[in-house]
Amino acid sequence: DAKTTQPTSMDCAEGRAANLPCNHSTISGNEYVYWYRQIHSQGPQYIIHGLKNNETNEMASLIITEDRKSSTLILPHATLRDTAVYYCIVDTGTASKLTFGTGTRLQVTL
Amino acid sequence: AAGVIQSPRHLIKEKRETATLKCYPIPRHDTVYWYQQGPGQDPQFLISFYEKMQSDKGSIPDRFSAQQFSDYHSELNMSSLELGDSALYFCASSLVSGWISGELFFGEGSRLTVL
Repeated sequence: DAKTTQPTSMDCAEGRAANLPCNHSTISGNEYVYWYRQIHSQGPQYIIHGLKNNETNEMASLIITEDRKSSTLILPHATLRDTAVYYCIVDTGTASKLTFGTGTRLQVTL
Repeated sequence: AAGVIQSPRHLIKEKRETATLKCYPIPRHDTVYWYQQGPGQDPQFLISFYEKMQSDKGSIPDRFSAQQFSDYHSELNMSSLELGDSALYFCASSLVSGWISGELFFGEGSRLTVL
């Protein structure tokens, strides 16, 4: 069973905030939420991760609901270079692999 | 900063031939992961190594084998190649002690085309 559910695709105007949702209603207490992205045919790139508190770094912000059943990745000012597939991954962080599901294809337009 | 180096970047083989992909992790990283990404597919985990020992195994065909060497570089060997093996192969590395941070560093990939 899929641990996460994401919309298949989303559009965002350049300069606007891109808000990418992820549902993970079966998340366990010791599981983190990780976000990666993959720009066309490049290697996946780590963005951010969190456990229960909201997190922010130079790339994005991660908002996790209080019940931890869903989260939102926010790119505050999307640019054309942010066009990519975004993967939300739930994991304990102790496994020796990272499992990619079906992510959200974000298209940033002029 | 040094990144994960993969070679070759492109490889063309005939059916039933053998191919070897190489991965050089970021210096001091002790864990290596291999992924396969077919056209229009999401990356699929194949196998990982920690300190030269296999640590996890995913959907890797029996025709494929891999190992991590004493200098931490890794090689993915693929034999009896099939058309369906045509894909992008990514290698990633991390510090197992830092895995909780969730940050795997991926290479640019090796594109294998089987004719």
